[in-house]
Amino acid sequence: ETGVTQTPRHLVMGMTNKKSLKCEQHLGHNAMYWYKQSAKKPLELMFVYSLEERVENNSVPSRFSPECPNSSHLFLHLHTLQPEDSALYLCASSQEMGQGADTQYFGPGTRLTVL
Amino acid sequence: GQNIDQPTEMTATEGAIVQINCTYQTSGFNGLFWYQQHAGEAPTFLSYNVLDGLEEKGRFSSFLSRSKGYSYLLLKELQMKDSASYLCAVRDSNYQLIWGAGTKLIIKP
Repeated sequence: ETGVTQTPRHLVMGMTNKKSLKCEQHLGHNAMYWYKQSAKKPLELMFVYSLEERVENNSVPSRFSPECPNSSHLFLHLHTLQPEDSALYLCASSQEMGQGADTQYFGPGTRLTVL
Repeated sequence: GQNIDQPTEMTATEGAIVQINCTYQTSGFNGLFWYQQHAGEAPTFLSYNVLDGLEEKGRFSSFLSRSKGYSYLLLKELQMKDSASYLCAVRDSNYQLIWGAGTKLIIKP
């Protein structure tokens, strides 16, 4: 069983398109995360949700818009992206935010290319 | 600022032992994580250290020295499937995870 799933796995979009990334976790966790992973750079935390409420937004441009309808699902809505937004977008979940040993479990990511 | 340093790339031979180092400067410390990430796949959890010392888990061990801001991941009896990137992350005083850029480990026959 795959704990955290993401769709689509690959996405190519133009700068004027609107698309959405989807994440689903089957682990019964209360916290969900969006990360951006660029080559040879540390993971960049974009958004954090705890019990469906956004608790962290690390100065992410407004062309990225998250949505968390329930504790199992997380979306990232994309519009008017730039070529530098091309990256691997990873979703993760964890049992309880704010605990030292709280471990994040990741999905396989969406490889996004913006033309 | 907060910083996690680890080597960009390392090469080792199948059957050998390799040590991947991680040094950190963070505002507070609430634990250190190691993850493995194969190309095109999800990072997967390997280990968590919060107290000084060595934690052993099969062929993998992780060491922590909080006074030195230092950790290492030790991989024994290397197998070709161990070729991957290894990510070090520290949980700071705000319980945020600060990530290193990862170490790409190449295993040669």
